[in-house]
Amino acid sequence: DVVMTQSPLSLPVTLGQPASISCRSSQSLVYSDGNTYLNWFQQRPGQSPRRLIYKVSNRDSGVPDRFSGSGSGTDFTLKISRVEAEDVGVYYCMQGTHWLGTFGQGTKVEIK
Amino acid sequence: QVQLVESGGGLVKPGGSLRLSCAASGFTFSDYYMSWIRQAPGKGLEWVSYISSSGSTIYYADSVKGRFTISRDNAKNSLYLQMNSLRAEDTAVYYCASSTGLDYWGQGTLVTVSS
Repeated sequence: DVVMTQSPLSLPVTLGQPASISCRSSQSLVYSDGNTYLNWFQQRPGQSPRRLIYKVSNRDSGVPDRFSGSGSGTDFTLKISRVEAEDVGVYYCMQGTHWLGTFGQGTKVEIK
Repeated sequence: QVQLVESGGGLVKPGGSLRLSCAASGFTFSDYYMSWIRQAPGKGLEWVSYISSSGSTIYYADSVKGRFTISRDNAKNSLYLQMNSLRAEDTAVYYCASSTGLDYWGQGTLVTVSS
């Protein structure tokens, strides 16, 4: 199985300040079709997960542009340019290149 | 708009069975791969199973292989998860999600395995 490792696991952030979450995979996530199937999800307290980013850097519809994804191969990053109160929750990376897909442990974002 | 509504969760004794359902609307269900993802209380996400649009391709996590069966009825826009030989470690909220990219999720249904 492909292991996804996120860091940090806890991220206290000041409102209006940037935040960054790292996700590393134990194998390259480049698929044979040339795509990299690395997604990011947000889970607010008491809610279902919601996809934010797909294929490394593509924002889903309705996702604020303060969220951005980057990376390649085995190293990926989710950045929030200016954290807002509604961004509190747990963020997961997920790989869909090697089946069955696997998730990172989650990073809890909270306001300082 | 896309809606996924899970049902069928509840309290079951170890060794028992449950069948979860997921009713889909707002998209052409028969065109999409579908998945079951679970989340144990206070824990992270685990991909349990997925099924291709026609039902011809199915994957299971090792933790449920041989005990769980995923299926779908495209005429009824419904996804199912038959869970047998349930164990305490299967206790979780079970979500259905659409496509291999998990672009839409349901609200989840809680399965509790306890004597």
